[in-house]
Amino acid sequence: AQKVTQTQTSISVVEKTTVTMDCVYETRDSSYFLFWYKQTASGEIVFLIRQDSYKKENATVGHYSLNFQKPKSSIGLIITATQIEDSAVYFCAMREDTEGADRLTFGKGTQLIIQP
Amino acid sequence: EAAVTQSPRNKVTVTGGNVTLSCRQTNSHNYMYWYRQDTGHGLRLIHYSYGAGNLQIGDVPDGYKATRTTQEDFFLLLELASPSQTSLYFCASSEGRGATAETLYFGSGTRLTVL
Repeated sequence: AQKVTQTQTSISVVEKTTVTMDCVYETRDSSYFLFWYKQTASGEIVFLIRQDSYKKENATVGHYSLNFQKPKSSIGLIITATQIEDSAVYFCAMREDTEGADRLTFGKGTQLIIQP
Repeated sequence: EAAVTQSPRNKVTVTGGNVTLSCRQTNSHNYMYWYRQDTGHGLRLIHYSYGAGNLQIGDVPDGYKATRTTQEDFFLLLELASPSQTSLYFCASSEGRGATAETLYFGSGTRLTVL
């Protein structure tokens, strides 16, 4: 069964710096998909970025990028030039690429606090 | 932008009570999901559906039933609510598999308290 682990419960950084949030996963599949979602203080959950396991290039969207290290089963989320509004809880998630595997497994989340 | 609407926003019931949480999506998505969010556990999948009349079991299904009456509507039923089901419940939908199609769109959540 797939498993997603986020060991950092909370991170605090100063505004305009770069932060990395860790995520490791377990899967028996050779093909899988990795995602990061953001939950704001209001509770809203939104999709940020995704990485397909067969792609070697790290995904980048705006000031979000991923550090995909397949041999380590690791998918870190990097936020550059952080802003106060980046304060949120960030969830890592995975879906295996097998027939019938149509749901995401989420990690427990990392709370990011951006200080002025 | 996909729209997923949950009702009610808040619900309080007593142990043994009967509760129905509602979810409607207006973007003709095929897949719908019910998650619960608890401190220390993140988001855990209760049930999900591929389409009207279809139901799939998630990771924490005990004590919950679900029904997908139409492509738009997905309901979560707690027939004998227990305090352990006090949680924040999220509904989500997605178009299906592949690239942007499987992006999950979440509702605003329903906070359920079982006394």
